[in-house]
Amino acid sequence: NAGVMQNPRHLVRRRGQEARLRCSPMKGHSHVYWYRQLPEEGLKFMVYLQKENIIDESGMPKERFSAEFPKEGPSILRIQQVVRGDSAAYFCASSPSRQAYEQYFGPGTRLTVT
Amino acid sequence: QKEVEQNSGPLSVPEGAIASLNCTYSDRVSQSFFWYRQYSGKSPELIMSIYSNGDKEDGRFTAQLNKASQYVSLLIRDSQPSDSATYLCAVNILGAAGNKLTFGGGTRVLVKP
Repeated sequence: NAGVMQNPRHLVRRRGQEARLRCSPMKGHSHVYWYRQLPEEGLKFMVYLQKENIIDESGMPKERFSAEFPKEGPSILRIQQVVRGDSAAYFCASSPSRQAYEQYFGPGTRLTVT
Repeated sequence: QKEVEQNSGPLSVPEGAIASLNCTYSDRVSQSFFWYRQYSGKSPELIMSIYSNGDKEDGRFTAQLNKASQYVSLLIRDSQPSDSATYLCAVNILGAAGNKLTFGGGTRVLVKP
């Protein structure tokens, strides 16, 4: 499967726990974007990363959220001390370069906070 | 004013008819425009991209861009029940870091047999 991969597909966390969402970009792609889709709301940009670099984190909440894309391995979106309002679908997208504007989405991780 | 606006619908279309979806955007320096299809509970799927004024056709889909009017549209010809989905308009708004997409709220399309 050469598409964008995300895991887990579904994640249930209790309030106060940590959530780790992983994303492996499409083969040949080195740019990763995270978006969040809250229930009954549109897709919102969170963060844009290249390998070992955060390029744009203007959409990230100021607290509890962080992202990384290490030299080896998948990109990780980390949410500390989750609250019920974090329940959403989190999508990762990838593109081959900054100049290639088309972004291809993974299947998403549905986070439920109980 | 929202950066990217779409009519939320639902847009009800008889099978075989043309579905016409509209999208307006507020930032004049926007460079790239995309239409994604999203089935309920699934992820967005890229169906069309358009970068310059005019029409772009791909199978049953035609995207139209008018930068002067800040308007992009999607036509779906010979609509099928499988086209029933939410269609998201996305705009790449030029910024210092570039390349983030701003999405409209989506238009829900229902194709009735």
